[in-house]
Amino acid sequence: LAKTTQPISMDSYEGQEVNITCSHNNIATNDYITWYQQFPSQGPRFIIQGYKTKVTNEVASLFIPADRKSSTLSLPRVSLSDTAVYYCLVGSYNTNAGKSTFGDGTTLTVKP
Amino acid sequence: DTAVSQTPKYLVTQMGNDKSIKCEQNLGHDTMYWYKQDSKKFLKIMFSYNNKELIINETVPNRFSPKSPDKAHLNLHINSLELGDSAVYFCASSQGARPYGGDEQFFGPGTRLTVL
Repeated sequence: LAKTTQPISMDSYEGQEVNITCSHNNIATNDYITWYQQFPSQGPRFIIQGYKTKVTNEVASLFIPADRKSSTLSLPRVSLSDTAVYYCLVGSYNTNAGKSTFGDGTTLTVKP
Repeated sequence: DTAVSQTPKYLVTQMGNDKSIKCEQNLGHDTMYWYKQDSKKFLKIMFSYNNKELIINETVPNRFSPKSPDKAHLNLHINSLELGDSAVYFCASSQGARPYGGDEQFFGPGTRLTVL
């Protein structure tokens, strides 16, 4: 299972674009990259998933370079309600065991 | 309608006691999970069941025993509770059996367990 590394915390201001990068140097060919968001006192919530290049949905964009050794979650024009912990998850359809699933998470604090 | 529900939301108990946490999902998913999140927010998978069959069993003390009476329910029983068991326990479900990639997981609200 590919180990992931994320910044422990990030600060931003309302209206800014936030980019959170996840490193996964030993990502396998079949691995997908998934991001989850967790608000205080709630369970994680799926945000976006991708395999290569760029994926965009109504909430975020996910940028994956050609070597796939890292990925960047981009949150456009954040608001106070985007304050949360963001987890990067890397794995494949063939992965059915492992030491852990979620990375350590990045705590994003959005300030007014 | 709550997709993944857990009971109780809070659980305070003494060391040495036995307790259970219940989880139910109404999404029609085939796979359910238990996660433990400690005070540092590290989220670790404990168990996973697919159609009532145990498919993931991480390194968890055998005091923890999951039970899946049907694919909509996954309960967690903990014997002889210890201080280190204090954490938030999350139940989750997904349509497929591939939590490490591909299958979106839906999480419950969590059960905060405090062992005194």
